[in-house]
Amino acid sequence: AQKITQTQPGMFVQEKEAVTLDCTYDTSDQSYGLFWYKQPSSGEMIFLIYQGSYDEQNATEGRYSLNFQKARKSANLVISASQLGDSAMYFCAMREGWGAGKSTFGDGTTLTVKP
Amino acid sequence: DVKVTQSSRYLVKRTGEKVFLECVQDMDHENMFWYRQDPGLGLRLIYFSYDVKMKEKGDIPEGYSVSREKKERFSLILESASTNQTSMYLCASTDTDTQYFGPGTRLTVL
Repeated sequence: AQKITQTQPGMFVQEKEAVTLDCTYDTSDQSYGLFWYKQPSSGEMIFLIYQGSYDEQNATEGRYSLNFQKARKSANLVISASQLGDSAMYFCAMREGWGAGKSTFGDGTTLTVKP
Repeated sequence: DVKVTQSSRYLVKRTGEKVFLECVQDMDHENMFWYRQDPGLGLRLIYFSYDVKMKEKGDIPEGYSVSREKKERFSLILESASTNQTSMYLCASTDTDTQYFGPGTRLTVL
């Protein structure tokens, strides 16, 4: 069974608007971490935001916020005030357990920001 | 700033060649990872290492081996390259919360 599910292969958003990229996960661990990465066309993977399973508040990093709903096992990424440079592939990932263990990645969502 | 570097951005090899992909990190991280990325398949873990000389298989280790002789360096080896190993290879190094990725190596096997 897939552990990370990103149901939106592609998304479009108008510049300056907000957009939500969906991510659901499956784990029986109580301790885990959730991540979002951005991959521009150049290929490098850029870390955006992290949410620990015990964190009670949603993580925020600048224009990025993670809408963490533990009971629903969802970890959606919200990008506010979209910019043209936000056009990229976005990956959701989960690390099970504590520490710096391996992560499982979703298939990604391609976001296109329209001017 | 954490820096993860990979030896080549682009590499072209012939079927049957032995291929070395090198990854170096400068933040004294114990954990390092090799992934391959293919269209429609996301990132798949090949091998990872929790310490020097330690390695563990990921989800798709067949056709690959790794070497971790020094903490900062994690090498991926294709003993006999095949066309189905044409892919983007990404190395990562991690602290507790974040994986830091290298720029990737786009390998083409002819």
